Parts: sequence; structure tokens; C-alpha cells
Amino acid sequence: EAGVAQSPRYKIIEKRQSVAFWCNPISGHATLYWYQQILGQGPKLLIQFQNNGVVDDSQLPKDRFSAERLKGVDSTLKIQPAKLEDSAVYLCASSPGPSGLHSYEQYFGPGTRLTVT
Amino acid sequence: DQQVKQNSPSLSVQEGRISILNCDYTNSMFDYFLWYKKYPAEGPTFLISISSIKDKNEDGRFTVFLNKSAKHLSLHIVPSQPGDSAVYFCAAGTQAAGNKLTFGGGTRVLVKP
Repeated sequence: EAGVAQSPRYKIIEKRQSVAFWCNPISGHATLYWYQQILGQGPKLLIQFQNNGVVDDSQLPKDRFSAERLKGVDSTLKIQPAKLEDSAVYLCASSPGPSGLHSYEQYFGPGTRLTVT
Repeated sequence: DQQVKQNSPSLSVQEGRISILNCDYTNSMFDYFLWYKKYPAEGPTFLISISSIKDKNEDGRFTVFLNKSAKHLSLHIVPSQPGDSAVYFCAAGTQAAGNKLTFGGGTRVLVKP
């Protein structure tokens, strides 16, 4: 079974530029998550999708971050304009969700390391 | 408000011995807990989980213990192997809240040969 795919793996941009990340979840997984992981900290949830609807985006800085999951499969996360403090690893995860045995177990992609200079 | 805390940032253990990683939480509404392992430049890998209705779950060399009264869980790795050297995160969530996970800050484990 293929895992969660993410691209690009690394990205370096200047502040005020825009950037987009792509995620393809595990086949059949209904729930998709985007996390931000700052160096030395645990992942922090940015947004959660159930199929193509948003379940939770309370931690998403909506003035600069946006995300979509058209057709309930792939997802993109965009930052525009980027700030220095956005330098982090952006992780995508998926889970079978929303209910059932082990529905809460999330499986992560390799992440995209973003450096904003 | 850190609802999930891993108070030990690092742990060093000899190969073959037991590694014990600890995690404390404050939200009594959490109804499941997970442990993830993370190698550099990779995403976290799911290790083991436990429901709040249990106090122990075992999978091979990994055992998770849950003490609800103390709001504390621990991960035991026996025996520790050099390949276990990684950063370990505990996470907690509630199905009523849509399975959103809250992560601790991580513990870096080094297993010495």
C-alpha cells in the first residue's frame, strides 16, 4: 500500500513570496490533515478535511494560509505572502476516519521543509 | 496551553536495555493516545496506540501504559536497539473532536551500541 505522498520535499523562498505544497493521501482515506512542525516542537494542526469539506481550520492563519481538497483526494496548502516565521516542516497526514476501529490513527508523509529568507 | 507534555527532551540508553519515555496530559477528555517515531528528514511513523478504556497495550518490543488518574502515559521499548534512535512524539485526541491530534514536544532517544 502506497503511503502519503508530498511534494516538493524542500523549498527555499524569500519573504513575501508565495509557495504551494501538494499532498496525496493513502488511497481510500477520507480524512486529511496539514500540520506545521517548527524545529524542536511537535507537529501543530493547521487544517483538517473530511472528504472535501473542512472540519477544523481554527489554527490556520487565514490571512496568509489557504488550503483546498478538491474532489476529496489530493490537497494543496498555500502560503501568500510568506513570513520568516513560516520556516518549518509542513506535514500532511491521512486517516481512514471519521469513525470505526483505529479511525484515529494518522499516517504521515515525509513533509516539505520550507525555508523563508 | 500545552495539553500534552514530554518533559524529557532527550534520553540515552544502552543497547539491549529498556527505554522508558514519559508523557503527561491535562485534558481529561482525551480518549486515545498514540506514539510516533520520527527519523531525520522523514515524517512521523505510527508506532502504537491505546484507548482510554485500557491501561496497557503491547506490540512486540513496544508497550504503552496509561494511568488515567495521573494523566500520564509511558512507552517502554524492550530491548532497545540502535535502530530505535529517533525522536518520539506522544499524541492525544478525542473522537468527539474529529480526531484532531495534539502532540507533545518530543523526546530524542539515543541507543548506544
